[in-house]
Amino acid sequence: IAGITQAPTSQILAAGRRMTLRCTQDMRHNAMYWYRQDLGLGLRLIHYSNTAGTTGKGEVPDGYSVSRANTDDFPLTLASAVPSQTSVYFCASSENSGEYNEQFFGPGTRLTVL
Amino acid sequence: GQNIDQPTEMTATEGAIVQINCTYQTSGFNGLFWYQQHAGEAPTFLSYNVLDGLEEKGRFSSFLSRSKGYSYLLLKELQMKDSASYLCAVKDSNYQLIWGAGTKLIIKP
Repeated sequence: IAGITQAPTSQILAAGRRMTLRCTQDMRHNAMYWYRQDLGLGLRLIHYSNTAGTTGKGEVPDGYSVSRANTDDFPLTLASAVPSQTSVYFCASSENSGEYNEQFFGPGTRLTVL
Repeated sequence: GQNIDQPTEMTATEGAIVQINCTYQTSGFNGLFWYQQHAGEAPTFLSYNVLDGLEEKGRFSSFLSRSKGYSYLLLKELQMKDSASYLCAVKDSNYQLIWGAGTKLIIKP
């Protein structure tokens, strides 16, 4: 693995179903993030984790949950998917959460909820 | 509220220079980032400014004026591969990135 991987690449999901998007990084970064990207809107932060064992809510956390059991993995769960959660989801990581710390992005998961 | 504004779309000619502007209003300021995103791909880091002035990196330069809440990305000697969206993002007082909607740059031969 080099950098950040996400799975699946794309998914079509029936409304009401539970879904977990996976994210793994091998850079030993402390901070990780989940964003959604919708046409005409900027990236919006869903949840973040500044270090393993801690998580925080971003701008649009409703309907999503995360966990950070270890440094490498940061899964995002949709408990009961709704059509408004149709989006492209990007996982990102940075060495730390402070000032400079550029974020590195995974390839994204394209999710369609019908 | 927090707001990042950038033009939706710009068109330029191969070999020319283009300037993409970004204005921001955020709760606190801990740096401004520019990212490039090709269609269907992930954003990749281009530049970072935290102090006023110009940062140059090859064909790309980024400028910041904190007093005006303004930045621009300057791309020189445009190449067809520069066709992409350019995202402006500001790190706020909570060290979270606030993102603009992006500027789609179209390069014509």
